Amino acid sequence: GENVEQHPSTLSVQEGDSAVIKCTYSDSASNYFPWYKQELGKRPQLIIDIRSNVGEKKDQRIAVTLNKTAKHFSLHITETQPEDSAVYFCAASASGTYKYIFGTGTRLKVLA
Amino acid sequence: EPEVTQTPSHQVTQMGQEVILRCVPISNHLYFYWYRQILGQKVEFLVSFYNNEISEKSEIFDDQFSVERPDGSNFTLKIRSTKLEDSAMYFCASSEWRGGTDTQYFGPGTRLTVL
Repeated sequence: GENVEQHPSTLSVQEGDSAVIKCTYSDSASNYFPWYKQELGKRPQLIIDIRSNVGEKKDQRIAVTLNKTAKHFSLHITETQPEDSAVYFCAASASGTYKYIFGTGTRLKVLA
Repeated sequence: EPEVTQTPSHQVTQMGQEVILRCVPISNHLYFYWYRQILGQKVEFLVSFYNNEISEKSEIFDDQFSVERPDGSNFTLKIRSTKLEDSAMYFCASSEWRGGTDTQYFGPGTRLTVL
């Protein structure tokens, strides 16, 4: 069935360094890929998304890249700050469906 | 900025009891969803709802679950006879357009504890 793999499960970086989180999806019909940030006890918040007709999208310190051939997409956070510490979830969905398939999450710790 | 709201924030119930989780989607959104997240695990899709009917559901969403839009603002998830394994965080979400290609906005969640 449909699946999204996400790596790593935990990631610790020094403040100011970059962080990269990678996801792989199985459904070739997937064409929308949102990323959510979830702080402890709070709702998942959309931070960036990308559609399959675009290879890269950037919003300030956050960027997402998509490789449709390899079915990979990645989240890049530059100049990390302590407030970036959270769990990050990738997701994939297809235009013929209503659901998101989420990855297993990455716990990012930014060390001051 | 409009947000999805959910009540209660925490619900404790005895096994076999019925629970109703409530959500108020963003007002101009047409598509509504329920997801659940068992502690420490990924967020899992349960059901989507559009035009007063279920548009898609997962294998998790069996006959014990039902959804309803009882009025113009609320969207509810009912679990008829709760099991221990139903303990999880339940998130409601809504989107303006079909959720497969549109952003879904999540509520703060209801933590359900089944004893």
